[in-house]
Amino acid sequence: DIQMTQSPASLSASLEEIVTITCKASQGIDDYLSWYQQKPGKSPQLLIYDATSLADGVPSRFSGSRSGTQYSLKISRPQVDDSGIYYCLQSYSTPYTFGAGTKLELK
Amino acid sequence: EVQLQQSGAELVKPGASVKLSCKTSGYTFSNYYMSWLKQMPGQNIEWIGNIYGGNGGTGYNQKFKGKATLTVDKSSSTAYMDLSSLTSEDSAVYFCARGALNYGSYVMDAWGQGASVTVSS
Repeated sequence: DIQMTQSPASLSASLEEIVTITCKASQGIDDYLSWYQQKPGKSPQLLIYDATSLADGVPSRFSGSRSGTQYSLKISRPQVDDSGIYYCLQSYSTPYTFGAGTKLELK
Repeated sequence: EVQLQQSGAELVKPGASVKLSCKTSGYTFSNYYMSWLKQMPGQNIEWIGNIYGGNGGTGYNQKFKGKATLTVDKSSSTAYMDLSSLTSEDSAVYFCARGALNYGSYVMDAWGQGASVTVSS
């Protein structure tokens, strides 16, 4: 199984910062990587697919990138509503696997 | 509007089985996959498997083979997941999520609201 190592586990950020969350794949996944946001008691929602493409209706302050086997989600000037848990998902091979999640708190 | 409506919370006894449903609307059911996922309280999300709405073809996470059985009813655009021989380790929230290949990679672009399963005597 492909392991997705996500970091940090949690972070607190101000509204003026740039937030970066990373996922490192245990092997190459050919950009078969998506990012999801989950709020308490809710289902995950798609933010980014194919590593860098923004899903419909997602604000442009969210962006995705790749460097080698490390993938990053960046939130520029986050809003209070961006609080939640963020997960990466690899769909290069089954079983599809998620990162452990990053809990983002905005202060 | 794409919608996935899951069945309600279940309280079941150890050793029993439960069948969860995911009724869809707003898209052509047979053109997409449906994934099922497990999330235990405060923990990571696990992919259980998926099923293609067109022909019922399935793919499972080896970890859940023998535990979960996925089926579809095309006539009602509904996906189902049977969970058998339940133990406390099966207590979790289960999500259905539409799986699409038209993005390039496999993407879960719409999710149900989740169904809580509690296994307790």
